[in-house]
Amino acid sequence: QVQLQESGPGLVKASQTLSLTCTVSGGSINSGGYYWNWIRQHPGKGLEWIGYIYHSGRTQYNPSLKSRVTISEDTSQNQFSLKLNSVTAADTAVYYCARSAILTGYIPFDYWGQGTLVAVSS
Amino acid sequence: QSVLTQPPSASKTPGQRVTISCSGSSSNIGSNSVNWYQQFPGTAPKLLIYSDNRRPSGVPDRFSGSKSGSSASLAISGLQSEDEADYYCAAWDDSLNGWVFGGGTKLTVL
Repeated sequence: QVQLQESGPGLVKASQTLSLTCTVSGGSINSGGYYWNWIRQHPGKGLEWIGYIYHSGRTQYNPSLKSRVTISEDTSQNQFSLKLNSVTAADTAVYYCARSAILTGYIPFDYWGQGTLVAVSS
Repeated sequence: QSVLTQPPSASKTPGQRVTISCSGSSSNIGSNSVNWYQQFPGTAPKLLIYSDNRRPSGVPDRFSGSKSGSSASLAISGLQSEDEADYYCAAWDDSLNGWVFGGGTKLTVL
């Protein structure tokens, strides 16, 4: 059973960089056949896809966040990470990591982490 | 403002059937599969329907999805109190080159 777990600071100062890590267990992020995503949800609001990383480190980002986002992977630790630069209060949200499977058709966001709330303080 | 449009709320009584709509455009729903997620307060979303109408293992057949043109629907039959949750649709958008979601529909089972 695949499990994902987000970790990182719950409070970030405005203008600084938000950094989160997603640790994957029950499967290798380097095995291919999966996209590893970051998704966020503003308090009381809907879901917003941030981007993904997949085999060999290729990435795709939400155009609205692309200039501030970097998603990377550490295959030795079976983790992938999110960095969001120059944060403002508008970046306060619950951040989720999630897997998409592409082995037998495309199954988007089939496994999710529990989510972690990151608040941006002024 | 979400790219995909859902009604903000829906309410039905137990045992009834409810349909939740998701409206998009030719660059998302009109050309790509639609997926649905169920979310309870304080928890992560759960995949409910993928590829327009396929259910992951473990999802009851009371849940079904359909698509026509640039719109999609999630239907829940035989409503139960435990179905009370938020429901989101999602699709890849070829113009934005990324995933887009609906704003979510809060389902109340009276």
